[in-house]
Amino acid sequence: AQKITQTQPGMFVQEKEAVTLDCTYDTSDPSYGLFWYKQPSSGEMIFLIYQGSYDQQNATEGRYSLNFQKARKSANLVISASQLGDSAMYFCAMREGGSTLGRLYFGRGTQLTVWP
Amino acid sequence: DTAVSQTPKYLVTQMGNDKSIKCEQNLGHDTMYWYKQDSKKFLKIMFSYNNKELIINETVPNRFSPKSPDKAHLNLHINSLELGDSAVYFCASSLYQPGRDNEQFFGPGTRLTVL
Repeated sequence: AQKITQTQPGMFVQEKEAVTLDCTYDTSDPSYGLFWYKQPSSGEMIFLIYQGSYDQQNATEGRYSLNFQKARKSANLVISASQLGDSAMYFCAMREGGSTLGRLYFGRGTQLTVWP
Repeated sequence: DTAVSQTPKYLVTQMGNDKSIKCEQNLGHDTMYWYKQDSKKFLKIMFSYNNKELIINETVPNRFSPKSPDKAHLNLHINSLELGDSAVYFCASSLYQPGRDNEQFFGPGTRLTVL
C-alpha cells in the first residue's frame, strides 16, 4: 500500500485565489510527521510546512497552512492568495517514528499552475 | 552561502562507466541522504547516514555505493552505469535531535543521463 497518496496530478488556480492540494497517508505508527515540499521548474526542493502527529493545532507558515484531519488521515496543503510564483510541483511526504532518522516517503506530487 | 551543494549539476556518460556525485552541507547537520527522482518526478530514498554511519539502505543495486568521509559530506559512487540509472539525484541533510522531527534541506540535484 502506498504510504502517501496525492490524487490530483494537476491543479489550476487563478492568481489571488486560494487552493487546496490533497494528501492522504497510511500508517499505523502513532508518531509521525507530515511535510510539504515545493519543486519549481528550476528543480530545487523547497521545504514549506511541517505537521507532527501529536500537534493539536494545524500548522501555518505565511500563506501556507496544513489542514490536518487525523481521523481521515489527510494532510491537505492550503495556499491562500495564490501568486504566479506558486506554480510548481508540490509533494506531500511522511516520516514514521517521529525522528529525523526515519525514512521520508513522498507522494507522486501535484502540479499547480497559477494563471493571471 | 549555499547550504547543501552537489557537484556536478549535470552528468552525461556512457553505459558501463563509473561515476561519482559529491555532496556537501555547511548547515552543521549530522544526517545526510541520497534520493533518486525518476522521469515521472517520483522521489525515493536510497541511503541515509547519521554521523558517518549508514542507517538507511533501501533496495538499491550494489552498483551504488555511498561514502561519508565526515558529517558534512556524502558522496555517491555508481559503477557500471545502466540506462535505467538516468534520473535526478538529490542530496539532503537534516539535524537529528531526539524527540524532534526536523525537515530536510535539499541540494540542487544532479541530473544524470546515461547514453
